[in-house]
Amino acid sequence: EDKVVQSPLSLVVHEGDTVTLNCSYEVTNFRSLLWYKQEKKAPTFLFMLTSSGIEKKSGRLSSILDKKELFSILNITATQTGDSAVYLCAVLPGTASKLTFGTGTRLQVTL
Amino acid sequence: NAGVTQTPKFQVLKTGQSMTLQCAQDMNHEYMSWYRQDPGMGLRLIHYSVGAGITDQGEVPNGYNVSRSTTEDFPLRLLSAAPSQTSVYFCASSSSGANTQYFGPGTRLTVL
Repeated sequence: EDKVVQSPLSLVVHEGDTVTLNCSYEVTNFRSLLWYKQEKKAPTFLFMLTSSGIEKKSGRLSSILDKKELFSILNITATQTGDSAVYLCAVLPGTASKLTFGTGTRLQVTL
Repeated sequence: NAGVTQTPKFQVLKTGQSMTLQCAQDMNHEYMSWYRQDPGMGLRLIHYSVGAGITDQGEVPNGYNVSRSTTEDFPLRLLSAAPSQTSVYFCASSSSGANTQYFGPGTRLTVL
């Protein structure tokens, strides 16, 4: 059974801090790992990672995958209050038919 | 281009009632899916479809039925609602299997 574990479960930081969110996984025949951001409603797609060591970057957010150690990190630099959300990690097996999500990390950015 | 739409936004049912949650997408995506989200449990896959006429079970399919008669629509039916089905339900779609899915706004369902 595929499994995704995210840590920490929640954290509170001050605006301007840098945060690192962790995602470890077990999956049959790995295909890709995805990060989503969920504010009040629907999750929105951030990154898809398929290869080890290649950083994906979008503004202040970046993510990298380690397929040997079976984990990924999501970094957010110079955090803003608008970054407050639940960040979800999910893995896709080789069949590409079912995503397995972690329980998410709840990030709160305070002034 | 509306993306993924879900109706209703909120619903309250009594135990034993049946209902259908509607989901539609206008992006011509072959893949569609239904998830439920409960506190502390993350998103769990209920059913999914890789194209019209094809559906399959996800992680938590019991108590739910789906059908996919068109590419655009993927309704989720609760046959006999139970309090354990109180949850937020998300529909999603993708053009490339379960990768990079676009999520609808969700339906908050309460079963009394």
